[in-house]
Amino acid sequence: NAGVTQTPKFRVLKTGQSMTLLCAQDMNHEYMYWYRQDPGMGLRLIHYSVGEGTTAKGEVPDGYNVSRLKKQNFLLGLESAAPSQTSVYFCASSATRGRKNTEQYFGPGTRLTVT
Amino acid sequence: EDKVVQSPLSLVVHEGDTVTLNCSYEVTNFRSLLWYKQEKKAPTFLFMLTSSGIEKKSGRLSSILDKKELFSILNITATQTGDSAVYLCAEESYSGGGADGLTFGKGTHLIIQP
Repeated sequence: NAGVTQTPKFRVLKTGQSMTLLCAQDMNHEYMYWYRQDPGMGLRLIHYSVGEGTTAKGEVPDGYNVSRLKKQNFLLGLESAAPSQTSVYFCASSATRGRKNTEQYFGPGTRLTVT
Repeated sequence: EDKVVQSPLSLVVHEGDTVTLNCSYEVTNFRSLLWYKQEKKAPTFLFMLTSSGIEKKSGRLSSILDKKELFSILNITATQTGDSAVYLCAEESYSGGGADGLTFGKGTHLIIQP
């Protein structure tokens, strides 16, 4: 049981390049999330998904797109990277019990630098 | 204005001391309050609190929620150097459609000196 995994672990992009971050979970969780963590800012929610085929915007969605084609995968895309997107990106997932969620489990993070 | 406010932002104590970390939050659509510990990588779950006044405990760590005063505390007794980490508090809210994700505070950076 690997939990939540993220690829890649590190990436350096030039301004204007595109890339996709992959998150996978093997816990059969319904909900998945993408956060970014910047120094002094805590973690901020970018996008999330409450089930396969659904996505929604979080607190800081601009410049990112997401897709949830399979229940176990949640992809985060940067179409045209900017230096302001230099950050550590965390994926998380959670299950549901009735109308309540369980705690979120986090992946190990992807450190992205945009030059 | 920050929705989840943690204090102090940093704290240095000696091994064996007891520490109390604070977290205040807003009430809008509140579902639960969570505490995470973050060392070098991913945040790891500590506690989820939904009911006021009920203490959750795990070893030397405990936490309690006050829904009337809108705050939570995390206590660590007999601290050890392995407790050094950033402790994150997060509020889970909902808008009726399901999960809305977590709103995190900036964290308390705790350093335990031997």
